Amino acid sequence: GNSVTQMEGPVTLSEEAFLTINCTYTATGYPSLFWYVQYPGEGLQLLLKATKADDKGSNKGFEATYRKETTSFHLEKGSVQVSDSAVYFCALTDNTGGFKTIFGAGTRLFVKA
Amino acid sequence: DTGVSQDPRHKITKRGQNVTFRCDPISEHNRLYWYRQTLGQGPEFLTYFQNEAQLEKSRLLSDRFSAERPKGSFSTLEIQRTEQGDSAMYLCASSLEGQVSYNEQFFGPGTRLTVL
Repeated sequence: GNSVTQMEGPVTLSEEAFLTINCTYTATGYPSLFWYVQYPGEGLQLLLKATKADDKGSNKGFEATYRKETTSFHLEKGSVQVSDSAVYFCALTDNTGGFKTIFGAGTRLFVKA
Repeated sequence: DTGVSQDPRHKITKRGQNVTFRCDPISEHNRLYWYRQTLGQGPEFLTYFQNEAQLEKSRLLSDRFSAERPKGSFSTLEIQRTEQGDSAMYLCASSLEGQVSYNEQFFGPGTRLTVL
């Protein structure tokens, strides 16, 4: 079945450091890929998405590229801020039926001033 | 429209009691999903509706769980004879069929259930 694996946290960085959160997936067909973010005390928010191979999703300085050859969708940001502290979830949706979203376990990010 | 809403936001109940949660999706969205999120984990799919039809149910959804979407608008999730293992955040999401190439789901704030 479909699955998502992302790096375990927590990840602790200093402000302005470079961020990478690894995500790999297993899927039949051609899923859409997403990163969601959950800030403390808030609900899930879509951060960025990519719908086909080689697409790059970007938002708020975050980027991720849909790599079919390595089945990966790693999240990157060049310079993190304290306000980026949150839990980040990698996810996929199987567009061939069902349309449910499969989430990774989440990676907690702490950014220190 | 202000997005997906869920009610209540928090529910504390005693083991063995029944609870019901409500989700109001974004008004024009015809797909509605329920997920469960336990501490330190990502959300897990429970069930999915297209309009009023329940099209898929996870094995996580035991016989004690039932979901309805009677008029294709709001949905309810009922848990009968609650157990301590049911304690979790219950998330609702909605999406619009026909969005090109992907199925972006918009999530509500969740209902946090605590079973004592």
